[in-house]
Amino acid sequence: RKEVEQDPGPFNVPEGATVAFNCTYSNSASQSFFWYRQDCRKEPKLLMSVYSSGNEDGRFTAQLNRASQYISLLIRDSKLSDSATYLCVVNPSIYGGSQGNLIFGKGTKLSVKP
Amino acid sequence: EAGVAQSPRYKIIEKRQSVAFWCNPISGHATLYWYQQILGQGPKLLIQFQNNGVVDDSQLPKDRFSAERLKGVDSTLKIQPAKLEDSAVYLCASRPLAGLYNEQFFGPGTRLTVL
Repeated sequence: RKEVEQDPGPFNVPEGATVAFNCTYSNSASQSFFWYRQDCRKEPKLLMSVYSSGNEDGRFTAQLNRASQYISLLIRDSKLSDSATYLCVVNPSIYGGSQGNLIFGKGTKLSVKP
Repeated sequence: EAGVAQSPRYKIIEKRQSVAFWCNPISGHATLYWYQQILGQGPKLLIQFQNNGVVDDSQLPKDRFSAERLKGVDSTLKIQPAKLEDSAVYLCASRPLAGLYNEQFFGPGTRLTVL
């Protein structure tokens, strides 16, 4: 089993659609979780951290299920500017942020069409 | 605040040649990472520095890759000799020392093509 697995994509959706990305991780001791966004030929940038209780930032909602080792990202009311690759990212270290190493999934490509 | 700087942005070499990449992290960031991102994949960690010490280089192919951060600021990553499968984007990232959810900030990357 790969350390971080994501939906294969690509996701092609119309503007205004709601789209959900799923991700599973293999290391049950993983401590911190993130979604990064990567635009074409650009560097990854942090979209949001994922907290145990779930968290929301505008149109974006992230959820974590530790029992199932599952992370999700929901995007509501998709915009053209949301088109990018979304990377599920896990810090597997039991030391969490003091190590800071990140394991990236392959990413899921989203294309939002007019 | 200036971001992570990397150079060159693009490099084309032939196999068996050598190449070096340079990274200047965000000022004050103690931790520096080098990642390799092959087309269609997520970034894969090659090496992590904390100040001028190596924290994790378990995934660095040490027979051909080397990296240093002598003064705890700038870093260089070298490949010698390059292979075709080294074609990838090499990303440098930095972060402050402490904090569970501290973000890693990535540079624009160096796109390497090995012919």
